[in-house]
Amino acid sequence: NAGVTQTPKFQVLKTGQSMTLQCAQDMNHEYMSWYRQDPGMGLRLIHYSVGAGITDQGEVPNGYNVSRSTTEDFPLRLLSAAPSQTSVYFCASSYTGQPLTNEQYFGPGTRLTVT
Amino acid sequence: GNSVTQMEGPVTLSEEAFLTINCTYTATGYPSLFWYVQYPGEGLQLLLKATKADDKGSNKGFEATYRKETTSFHLEKGSVQVSDSAVYFCALSDPGGSQGNLIFGKGTKLSVKP
Repeated sequence: NAGVTQTPKFQVLKTGQSMTLQCAQDMNHEYMSWYRQDPGMGLRLIHYSVGAGITDQGEVPNGYNVSRSTTEDFPLRLLSAAPSQTSVYFCASSYTGQPLTNEQYFGPGTRLTVT
Repeated sequence: GNSVTQMEGPVTLSEEAFLTINCTYTATGYPSLFWYVQYPGEGLQLLLKATKADDKGSNKGFEATYRKETTSFHLEKGSVQVSDSAVYFCALSDPGGSQGNLIFGKGTKLSVKP
C-alpha cells in the first residue's frame, strides 16, 4: 500500500502559467480532498470529492479546478497561477463507510512557488 | 458555524517536561475529534482520535479526552522527547457538512530542547 501519493514534491511557476498537481490513493477511499497550508492559517479546504464523478467546493476554491474520473485519482488544476497561490498543497483521502470516523490520510505535500 | 480554536505557539519545552496543548471547539451535533501531527517536511499523520463524549484517545504517550461539557479536547503528554518536536493540529469532523470533511485549528508548533 503506497497510501496517498502526490507529485511533484516541488514546483516553481511564473504568474499566469497553468499546471496540474497530481494525487492518487490506493486504499479505495471514496472521499478525497485538497488543502492548502499557509503560515498562521492552518489547513484550508480547497475542493473535495465524495466519489467518482462528484466534486464540490471547499473554503477557498477560487483559482482551482478539480475532477474525479476514477476513485483513485483527484488532480488539482491551477488555471492561471498567481503569487497568492504560493503555498504547500496537501491531498487527503478517507473511508466513508461504517463505522464513519472521518479519519483522513494525507499525502506528503507539494510545495508550490509562484513568482 | 463549526470551528476549532487551539492555543497559539510556538511552545518550547525541555526534554521530559509535561505538555498540554489546549483545543476547544464549536460544533452542532456530535463531531468526532482528532489530533494530527506534522513533522518537518512531511504531511499530517493522525495521532489520536475520539468519536464520542468522554472517550479518551491515546497514542505514543499522548492523550486527549473528549469533554462535551467544556467543548474541549486538550492534548497532553507526561514527558516529551526531542523527537516530539512538530506541529500539532486539532480537528473535528464537520457534523453539518459533507461526509468526510474535517475542520482544522491553526496548529501549534512544539519545540523540545535536549
